[in-house]
Order: sequence, then structure tokens, then C-alpha cells
Amino acid sequence: EVQLLESGGGLVQPGGSLRLSCAASGFTFSTYTMTWVRQAPGRGLEWVSDISGRGGGTYFADSVKGRFTVSRDDSKNTLHLQMNSLRAEDTAIYYCAKAAYGVDVWGQGTTVTVSS
Amino acid sequence: DIQMTQSPSSLSASVGDRVTITCRASQGINNDLGWYQQKPGKAPKRLIYTASSLQSGVPSRFSGSGSGTEFTLTISSLQPEDFATYYCLQHNTYPLTFGGGTKVEIK
Repeated sequence: EVQLLESGGGLVQPGGSLRLSCAASGFTFSTYTMTWVRQAPGRGLEWVSDISGRGGGTYFADSVKGRFTVSRDDSKNTLHLQMNSLRAEDTAIYYCAKAAYGVDVWGQGTTVTVSS
Repeated sequence: DIQMTQSPSSLSASVGDRVTITCRASQGINNDLGWYQQKPGKAPKRLIYTASSLQSGVPSRFSGSGSGTEFTLTISSLQPEDFATYYCLQHNTYPLTFGGGTKVEIK
């Protein structure tokens, strides 16, 4: 069974940084593109970033480009999202997901709150 | 960027009703579209992939159709557990883009 478990969320001040992690199990992690999607309170879903399998490319939404980086450790089946220069509008639940013909299986999410 | 226009944004329906939700893409996306269901406080769950393929374990009352720019999710006979918010997502071109969502409520 595919399982994705996010961690690292919390309260951070504007301008601060946070690193999210996603532990994956139940599939051959290294071969799949992995995705981050977020959902601001009371709002819809917003795609944030993709990282291709086997050291492939990275992709970002314009809203986070230059502030967020995505990486993966295939030896530990772990996905990371490094978030810098955080803004109030980055407040959201962040989901990691496995991509197969689009976004396939989702984790339960981790909450990021950017506030002073 | 490809814009996904989803309609309606909300609807009220009764158990047993047939429900149809539409997503229109601002340019052709072949069949690179999925449909997702989200219940309050829960992560989204994929129902349909490649526009018309039923995700494993999803009831057959859910179906998807379309290609190019117009796509439809149909629930043939609405059940109590289907009251939720539904989203489409195109994965043809980066940035990936979601529709705005359709909240299905009890009439």
C-alpha cells in the first residue's frame, strides 16, 4: 500500500524558512515524479512543485519560484520542500503526492502558518 | 498557463440524482485530466485519471468523459457519501492547474 507522511509544518514568521519532508513507502520511490500541492484555508487546491524521478527536472508555480526548492533522497525514500522568504499567503496545508498519469496518491498534509 | 474553468461552483442535489460537473481547458490538453473528491478535513482522493479511467476502488457510479478542451465528471446516482467538493486537474503542461472546485451539497 502506498503511504505518504508529511512532516515539518508549523508556525513561522514572515520572511522565515521552513523545510517540509514527506516519507514514502509502498512503491519504488526513485522511479516516480513527486508533487507538492497546497490548500489555503477555505480555498481550492494549488499545485506548487514537481520533481521528476531519477534525478530529473524540477518545476515550480510562479507564486513560489525563486523562494522554494524541492529535492529528494531516493536512498531514504524522502521528498523535501525547502521554503524560504515565507509570506502570509503561503499559509496552507501542504500535501505531498505521488504522480502517475497526474497526481495519484496524496498524503494527509502538514499545516504551515506564516504569521507574526 | 492553461486555465481550467470548472462549473458549476456549487450545486444542491438529492440522493439518487444524476450529477454532472464540467471542466473546460483554455487550450487542448488531450486527455491529461484527472478528477478528485475532497471531503472536509481530508486529503483529496483521485476518482478518474486520463479523463475517463476509473481509479481502482472507486464506485462505478462515477464516470468521466471528454478530450481536448471539454471534460465531464458524472455521478450516475448520488449517494450520501458523495457530498463533497470535486476538482479537476490538468497535467498536460506545467504549471499544473486545478479547476476552482464544485461543492456538492444536500438538497
